[in-house]
Amino acid sequence: QITLKESGPSLVKPTQTLTLTCSFSEFSLNTSGVGVGWIRQPPGKALDWLAVIYWDDDRRYSPSLTSRLTITKDTSKNQVVLTMTNMDPVDTATYYCVHTLPYYYGNGDYSKGDDTFDIWGQGTMVTVSS
Amino acid sequence: SYELTQPPSVSVSPGQTARITCSGDALPKQYAYWYQQKSGQAPVLVIYEDTKRPSDIPERFSGSSSGTMATLTISGAQVEDEGDYYCYSSDSSDNHGVFGGGTKLTVL
Repeated sequence: QITLKESGPSLVKPTQTLTLTCSFSEFSLNTSGVGVGWIRQPPGKALDWLAVIYWDDDRRYSPSLTSRLTITKDTSKNQVVLTMTNMDPVDTATYYCVHTLPYYYGNGDYSKGDDTFDIWGQGTMVTVSS
Repeated sequence: SYELTQPPSVSVSPGQTARITCSGDALPKQYAYWYQQKSGQAPVLVIYEDTKRPSDIPERFSGSSSGTMATLTISGAQVEDEGDYYCYSSDSSDNHGVFGGGTKLTVL
């Protein structure tokens, strides 16, 4: 069965760069139609979509955070890394990585963004504080 | 920026039908997805591509979409269905994702 697990620091200081790693198993990011995304949730607040990377290295970012985010993949290690620069206390949240399936038209074309997040990691809490 | 709007809360008695709405300008062109989140847990997919239900989700969960509104319906809601429900869709122009603000479902 597919599993994903997030790892990274639980505490970062303001202005620092956060680096989170998603380690996954039982699927490959070399497979067409597969992606890994990141979603966060501040305490007591709503889910917030951050970024996704697809099998073909297409990357999408939240428009409000695009200047601060970078998502990369290492298919040999089955890992996806998210970096977020210039961290602020408002970035305190639980960060989830998700197995992502874009909508498939059936003719080789995909509708990226029409994504099903079918498997979620357990999440990792990150606190931004000095 | 693109937004999806949900009611903050919905309350029903056990056995009643709960309906949670999600409105967004791009919904006529983009699919809606629904996630259930129970306290302290990661979200779980309950509806995808407007109307499809994962095999491990009870049949009482269903989805529909018409115009700029998508609806999650729980027919015969049970106490264990309590939690927060989030709709998700994408902006039709840039194809980036967005979640609604979430709806807290109370069944009592």
